[in-house]
Amino acid sequence: DSGVTQTPKHLITATGQRVTLRCSPRSGDLSVYWYQQSLDQGLQFLIQYYNGEERAKGNILERFSAQQFPDLHSELNLSSLELGDSALYFCASSVRDSYNSPLHFGNGTRLTVT
Amino acid sequence: GENVGLHLPTLSVQEGDNSIINCAYSNSASDYFIWYKQESGKGPQFIIDIRSNMDKRQGQRVTVLLNKTVKHLSLQIAATQPGDSAVYFCAENMENSGYSTLTFGKGTMLLVSP
Repeated sequence: DSGVTQTPKHLITATGQRVTLRCSPRSGDLSVYWYQQSLDQGLQFLIQYYNGEERAKGNILERFSAQQFPDLHSELNLSSLELGDSALYFCASSVRDSYNSPLHFGNGTRLTVT
Repeated sequence: GENVGLHLPTLSVQEGDNSIINCAYSNSASDYFIWYKQESGKGPQFIIDIRSNMDKRQGQRVTVLLNKTVKHLSLQIAATQPGDSAVYFCAENMENSGYSTLTFGKGTMLLVSP
């Protein structure tokens, strides 16, 4: 068990809808990262927060947004959903704000858009 | 599994054999590397990391070798067990527009038969 908790485990929704994915980092970790894993793209970095502030952005669509709250949990909001957004969404956390320490991943949220 | 659509390279070994999983990384400036293991239905699990000032690091039953000259990373698993069956990813830490990102390879599927 990595100590990173993601909810829900599964989410099925329709095109055009909006969903929120939630992540609780490991105790003591200040950085939260969101990744998308799809069948044809592998693990793609979306966005990183450190201690409540956005630190880095990757291949995140404008329809997607995230935030990290004072208690360090994070939410990833996906709106105007399209079929191609169906994927596994992983949250990871680390102690520091750089990638020079291991990321610890949760077990993901599987999003299915129908 | 989640990665079937990627047509992952597959390594099939017998229980008790030693396994070697290879990874070619892209950026000669990358300075930190991590190996992850992903079992079906779970998030990537940290195995071992190595910094660019080292060329070898050992863990429990695992060894990572780094050859910066040819930008090659390998993961050696001793006495492979059926529980080692999973997809293995290498990841490199590279600078990108002033911040670091952790970029994952496409993965290798390891199948261990008893």
